[in-house]
Amino acid sequence: EVQLVESGGGLVQPGRSMQLSCAASGFIFSNYGMAWVRQAPTRGLEWVATISYDGSNTYHRDSVKGRLTVSRDNAKSTLYLQMNSLRSEDTATYYCTSGGYYFDYWGQGVMVTVSS
Amino acid sequence: DVQMTQSPSNLAASPGESVSINCKASKSISKYLAWYQQKPGKANKLLIYSGSTLQSGTPSRFSGSGSGTDFTLTIRNLEPEDFGLYYCQQHSEYPPTFGSGTKLEIK
Repeated sequence: EVQLVESGGGLVQPGRSMQLSCAASGFIFSNYGMAWVRQAPTRGLEWVATISYDGSNTYHRDSVKGRLTVSRDNAKSTLYLQMNSLRSEDTATYYCTSGGYYFDYWGQGVMVTVSS
Repeated sequence: DVQMTQSPSNLAASPGESVSINCKASKSISKYLAWYQQKPGKANKLLIYSGSTLQSGTPSRFSGSGSGTDFTLTIRNLEPEDFGLYYCQQHSEYPPTFGSGTKLEIK
């Protein structure tokens, strides 16, 4: 059974940093592109970033470029999202997903609240 | 970016009925559209990709149609577990973009 379990969320002040992790199991992690998708409270889904199966290619939405960075450790079957210079508009539930173009498996999500 | 316009925003129906949800892209995306279901306390579920291909495990009462800019998700013979939020997403080009969602409620 595919499992994606996010961790690392919480309350953080504007301008500070936070790292999200996603532990994957039930599939060969190193064979798949992975992505982060977020959802602000009462809003729709928004793609954040994608990383290729081997980590050699990454893609980020324009509004997070230079601040949020996706990475992975295939030896640990873990996906990361390093979030720097956080803004109030980054407040959202962040979902770890598998896939590069469409997203076939999702985690339950982790909430990130950016507030002073 | 490709803008995705989803309609209706809200939909009420009874178990056993059929419903359709529409999604319109701001430019042609060929067949590359996915549909997702979102329910409280559960992981989001991919239902359909490439317009009409059912993801493994998606019941056959779900179907997708369309190409170019106009797409439809149809659910026949609604079951109680089908009520929730539905999103479309284009997977033709980067960045992937989602519709605003349709809330399917029990009448």
